Parts: sequence; C-alpha cells; structure tokens
Amino acid sequence: AQSVTQLDSQVPVFEEAPVELRCNYSSSVSVYLFWYVQYPNQGLQLLLKYLSGSTLVESINGFEAEFNKSQTSFHLRKPSVHISDTAEYFCAVSDRNNNDMRFGAGTRLTVKP
Amino acid sequence: GAVVSQHPSWVICKSGTSVKIECRSLDFQATTMFWYRQFPKQSLMLMATSNEGSKATYEQGVEKDKFLINHASLTLSTLTVTSAHPEDSSFYICSARRSKGYGYTFGSGTRLTVV
Repeated sequence: AQSVTQLDSQVPVFEEAPVELRCNYSSSVSVYLFWYVQYPNQGLQLLLKYLSGSTLVESINGFEAEFNKSQTSFHLRKPSVHISDTAEYFCAVSDRNNNDMRFGAGTRLTVKP
Repeated sequence: GAVVSQHPSWVICKSGTSVKIECRSLDFQATTMFWYRQFPKQSLMLMATSNEGSKATYEQGVEKDKFLINHASLTLSTLTVTSAHPEDSSFYICSARRSKGYGYTFGSGTRLTVV
C-alpha cells in the first residue's frame, strides 16, 4: 500500500514570500499524486494533480508541484503567497487503479501580513 | 463539472438519537463513494468505501453497526450515525470518484455535534 508523508505540520510565511510545502510518498506501484486545499469547516478542493506526462503541474491560482520519481516527492510551491492562501493543504497518493487514496497529515499554511 | 453535495452542513443532536448524512454526486455517476472522519487539526481518516448496490467496506476499527452506509443509487450515498454519543462529534466528509485518474471530488463536510 502507498503512504504519504508531509514533513511540515505548520508553515508560517509573510505575504508575498515564496513557499514550499513538502510531500514524499511511498509506493510499490505507479501512482497518481494530488494536492488538495481545505478551508475552515469545508471539504477538500482539488488544487492540482499529476497523472502522467510533464512532471511539473500548475494550478490556476499560481501553485505548482513537481513530480520527482527518484526522490519520490511531490512538493507544492508558490512564488508569492497571498493572505487568502491561508488554509490546510493535503498531499494524496493513489495507485493507478484509483482504488485507494491515502492522505498525508496535512500542512497548515498561515500567511501573515 | 464533478460536483458533490453533502447535507446537512452541520447538525446538533441529542445522545442516543440517530443522524443521517447525505452525499450526492450532482453531475456524474459515482459507483464508489468514500466516507471520512476528520478530527480537529488532523488529516482525514477513511471510514468506509461505499459501492453502489453492495455492502460498504469498512476500515479496521470502524463499527459498521454504528456507522451505517447505504449506496442505493449511482448518485447517492448516506451515512447514518446510530445511537450517537458525544465522542461521535466530528467533521464527516464524503467523496466520490468519477473515473480513473480524476481524483476524488469532496463534499463540503458535515459538522456533527452530539450533546
């Protein structure tokens, strides 16, 4: 079975600073990788996903993540964060059959003015 | 597309009563839906996998008689918390899988408070 490790439980940054949220996965099979964002008292929203092809994937709000197979990582980055990016971010992995999705413990991103 | 509606968004109930939470896929058919429980400041814990027309598959440690799941159609799965107790208070989230590689689409969650 696959597993996900998010190395940072909390990441505080100042507005307009760059940020990286780290995610490493473990799996014996090929996987799909996802980042979800959760705002308080809401469900999860898909931010971006890697299925195949280009290892760099982007979201519409400036986030990007790069799949690194050799390092089994899928770190999320944004060059300049906004106050509105404050939320909980979850990295997730599923096998290619999409039968079983596993989530990391989450990283709370707090953007300060 | 790929919208999942979860209802209610919050509910308060008395100990000993039962509460039903609905999860609907609005614009696609979901043969598989998932139910999660989330404790404050923690990740999602998968409770069970709900398959249309068959019995749900529960994760280890989840009481199937306590958390009844019904997936009677391709667009609706329900979770009933039976004889609720204060320790059942939590945030419950459903998700539906559209197709391979699409990831999961999540409902907005239900905040259950048992008093």
